[in-house]
Amino acid sequence: GAVVSQHPSWVICKSGTSVKIECRSLDFQATTMFWYRQFPKQSLMLMATSNEGSKATYEQGVEKDKFLINHASLTLSTLTVTSAHPEDSSFYICSAQRRDSFSYEQYFGPGTRLTVT
Amino acid sequence: RKEVEQDPGPFNVPEGATVAFNCTYSNSASQSFFWYRQDCRKEPKLLMSVYSSGNEDGRFTAQLNRASQYISLLIRDSKLSDSATYLCVVANLNFGNEKLTFGTGTRLTIIP
Repeated sequence: GAVVSQHPSWVICKSGTSVKIECRSLDFQATTMFWYRQFPKQSLMLMATSNEGSKATYEQGVEKDKFLINHASLTLSTLTVTSAHPEDSSFYICSAQRRDSFSYEQYFGPGTRLTVT
Repeated sequence: RKEVEQDPGPFNVPEGATVAFNCTYSNSASQSFFWYRQDCRKEPKLLMSVYSSGNEDGRFTAQLNRASQYISLLIRDSKLSDSATYLCVVANLNFGNEKLTFGTGTRLTIIP
């Protein structure tokens, strides 16, 4: 299979602090990882696309200085929410695309629920 | 206009019934189409890809009409375990990566 993990699965933090979320592909190498955000009763929205060893590409309206993405290896990408505020509370989901596949299929992590108080 | 539009529901359907979901998309250049299911507070999981020729996987049938930019999903003999939110997803190649655009989902509850 193709397993993607995220850590932590949930986090509560105070306003103004930073939170780091990890996304790992456990049994495959991922050329590309994607970060999504989902607010209650809304669809998943792509935040950024991250290719290993290069800078992430952010979607329109997503602040790159607030949502720092690092993709230092073929199995790990991190998303850091800097100076988090209550409006950043959301479900953050990553996905990974296999390096060894001709398919573009994305494998999703279980998500991280962030609550900022 | 949203890129991917779905009827949000909810659909409350008795067990054993047939239920159909529809979806429209705005970008005529979109290349790939999928249905995902998402359980409450979980990540989305791929249910099936959608092709113009139509495809079937057990009780699930998906259809794509490129001319109308319309995608459908049919679930026959619905089970309690089918209760979930069904997401219509459209993919476009973007600088060598496949960008997924999700609909808001249609919530389905199967009633015993």
